[in-house]
Amino acid sequence: QPVLTQSSSASASLGSSVKVTCTLSSGHSSYIIAWHQQQPGKAPRYLMKLEGSGNYNKGSGVPDRFSGSSSGAERYLTVSNLQSEDEADYYCETWNSDSRVFGGGTKLTVL
Amino acid sequence: QVQLVQSGAEVKKPGASVKVSCKASGYTFTSYHMHWVRQAPGQGLEWMGIINPTGGTTSYAQRFQGRITMTRDTSTSTVYMELSSLRSQDTAVYYCAKGGGGGSNIDYWGQGTLVTVSS
Repeated sequence: QPVLTQSSSASASLGSSVKVTCTLSSGHSSYIIAWHQQQPGKAPRYLMKLEGSGNYNKGSGVPDRFSGSSSGAERYLTVSNLQSEDEADYYCETWNSDSRVFGGGTKLTVL
Repeated sequence: QVQLVQSGAEVKKPGASVKVSCKASGYTFTSYHMHWVRQAPGQGLEWMGIINPTGGTTSYAQRFQGRITMTRDTSTSTVYMELSSLRSQDTAVYYCAKGGGGGSNIDYWGQGTLVTVSS
C-alpha cells in the first residue's frame, strides 16, 4: 500500500508562486496521484490528475494558475500568481486497486 | 453538471448507528464508483470505502470492517453509508465522492454531512 507524505505547511506572498510537494513511498514512485483543494469550511475540490511523466489533466473550471509536475517519487502542485482564495489545505490522493490513500495535507498561507 | 447532494447533519449517542445518503445527478450513476471519505475536526481526509453502483459490490478500509455498510438505490441514483457502534472518535464530516473513470481518482465531492457522536 503506497504512503503519501506532504509537508504540513507552506506560505508565499500574494502574486507570487508556490510549489507544494507530495512524495510517494519507496516502490511506488510510478504511481499517478490527484490533487485536491479544500478552502476553509468547504468540501474538497478536485484540481488535477498528475502522472509520473509530469503530464496532468485538470478538473473542470480549475484556473490556469494551477499546474503540476513530477520528478521521481515527487509530485508537485504549483500555484502561480497567488490569490487570497488560494489559501487552503491541499491534499494528494493515490490509489491501489479499490483502495485510496490521502496525504496528510499541506496548509497554504497567502501572505 | 455533476452534483452530489448529501443528507443533513446528525447527532447520535455512543453505540448508535448513522446512515448518510448521497444523491447523484448529472452523469450516468451506474458508470462510476462512489467513495466515502471522512474528516475529523481539524484533521485530514480518511478514505472509508467504495461501492460499485452497478452491482453493489463494496470494498472497505480495514479499520471500518464490520462496522460499515455501503448500499445503493439505482432507481434514485442514491448511495448510502451506514456506520454502526458509533463512538466519540467517529465525530466527523462525512463526504461522498465520485470516482473517475477506469478506477482512478476522485473527481467530484459532495458537500459533506456532519455527524456528531455525543452522550
